[in-house]
Amino acid sequence: GAVVSQHPSWVICKSGTSVKIECRSLDFQATTMFWYRQFPKQSLMLMATSNEGSKATYEQGVEKDKFLINHASLTLSTLTVTSAHPEDSSFYICSARTGDYGYTFGSGTRLTVV
Amino acid sequence: TQLLEQSPQFLSIQEGENLTVYCNSSSVFSSLQWYRQEPGEGPVLLVTVVTGGEVKKLKRLTFQFGDARKDSSLHITAAQPGDTGLYLCAGARQAGTALIFGKGTTLSVSS
Repeated sequence: GAVVSQHPSWVICKSGTSVKIECRSLDFQATTMFWYRQFPKQSLMLMATSNEGSKATYEQGVEKDKFLINHASLTLSTLTVTSAHPEDSSFYICSARTGDYGYTFGSGTRLTVV
Repeated sequence: TQLLEQSPQFLSIQEGENLTVYCNSSSVFSSLQWYRQEPGEGPVLLVTVVTGGEVKKLKRLTFQFGDARKDSSLHITAAQPGDTGLYLCAGARQAGTALIFGKGTTLSVSS
C-alpha cells in the first residue's frame, strides 16, 4: 500500500531557530499533501493543503510566513517552522491524498522548542 | 464551531461492555473515515464509508454512515483492553479534499 515516510520522528530545537520536517511518498506520487498539527490530548487540526508545483493554501489563523510549506516534487513535501517558539511545540503530521477517498498519513513529528 | 461533533470525548468501561461513538454534523460529507491513533504515532485507518446508509463491519467494530451523509457511528461489541486508544472520525466535504477531524474519543477499557 501507499506509504508516507515522515522525518524526523522527534526534534528538539532552541527558541528562534528553524526546523524542517520532511514527508516523502515512497511508492506513489503525491500530488496533494495535507499538513496537520495536534496538541496533547487534542485532535488533528488542518494547517494547510499543498499541491505539487503550487503555493500552499493555509487555513485561517495559520501564519504562512511562519509555517513554510514546499511541495516542489511529487514525492517530497516539507514543512519548515521558522523562528520557532515554545508555543509551536506540537505533533505535526502530514497526509497524502491517494485517491478520491484515500489518504495516507505519516508517522508524525514531535517538535519541542526550548 | 466544530464541523464534526464527536461524542463522547472520554469513555471508560469494563471489559465485555458495548459502546457507541457518534460523529455528527450539519454538513454533508463525500466520505467519512474512522481512525485509531496511538500516542506519538500517526492515525491508522479503520474504515471509509462513502454511501449514505452504508454499514461496514470489522470484527467487533460496526460502522454506519447516516442516510443523509451527515453523521456516522462506531459501535464496539464486547470491548477488550486492547481496544483502548484514541478514536477519531474525519470527513471530506468533497472527494479528495482535506479531511476534517472530530475532537476524538479517548476510550479506556479495563479488565
